[in-house]
Amino acid sequence: DTGVSQDPRHKITKRGQNVTFRCDPISEHNRLYWYRQTLGQGPEFLTYFQNEAQLEKSRLLSDRFSAERPKGSFSTLEIQRTEQGDSAMYLCASSLTPGTGKQAYFGEGSWLTVV
Amino acid sequence: AQSVSQHNHHVILSEAASLELGCNYSYGGTVNLFWYVQYPGQHLQLLLKYFSGDPLVKGIKGFEAEFIKSKFSFNLRKPSVQWSDTAEYFCAVNAGQAGTALIFGKGTTLSVSS
Repeated sequence: DTGVSQDPRHKITKRGQNVTFRCDPISEHNRLYWYRQTLGQGPEFLTYFQNEAQLEKSRLLSDRFSAERPKGSFSTLEIQRTEQGDSAMYLCASSLTPGTGKQAYFGEGSWLTVV
Repeated sequence: AQSVSQHNHHVILSEAASLELGCNYSYGGTVNLFWYVQYPGQHLQLLLKYFSGDPLVKGIKGFEAEFIKSKFSFNLRKPSVQWSDTAEYFCAVNAGQAGTALIFGKGTTLSVSS
C-alpha cells in the first residue's frame, strides 16, 4: 500500500503520560498535515509542514503538542502530559505543493484515549 | 478566517431517493472546494473537488457538486442514493493561492435504508 500510513492506530494512555504518533506520507509528497477529529466534528487543522519546515500552527496546538518532520519524510506528533480532552483521532494527510489538482490524501488516523 | 458550515447534521433516506447536502463557506478570495467521504471504519476519501472552470463538478460514485460563488455555496448532490452511500460527508475549503490547510465543516451523517 503506498498511501499515508499512521502508527499506532490505537493508543490508550493514562492522564499525564506522553504519547507519540508517527505518520509516513506518500513518498513524493512534500506537504504533510496534522488534524484532530473528535466525535461529531470535522477534522480540525493542527499544523503543516513543507518538507522539513513547519509553516503553520493552529491555536489548537498548545505548548504540550510538538510536531517534527526531521528529514522531510515521516513526521511525529508528540503530546506531553496528556489530558482527557486530548482524546481524539489524530489524522495525517499529505499532498504535493498545493496548486490546481493537488489534493490531500489522508491516513486512517490514530485514535487516542486518555483515561 | 475561513469557516465552513454544513446545514444538515444527520440525513436519513431510502434507497433511490435523491440527495442534496448543503455547504456554505466564508472567505472572500479565491477558494478551492472539496467534498470528502468517510465510510464506516475507513479513512477520508476525496469525492470531488473544485478549483476553477465549470462550476458543476462531477466526482466518483455518481456524486456531483455545484459551486455558486454568489451564495458562497458548494452543495453536494446525487440523484439516486444507494445503501452503500451510508457514510459521513465533509465539505472543506482552502484559500486558493495560498494553498494552506483544509478547513472542514462538521460533517453530515447520511444513513440510507434499503
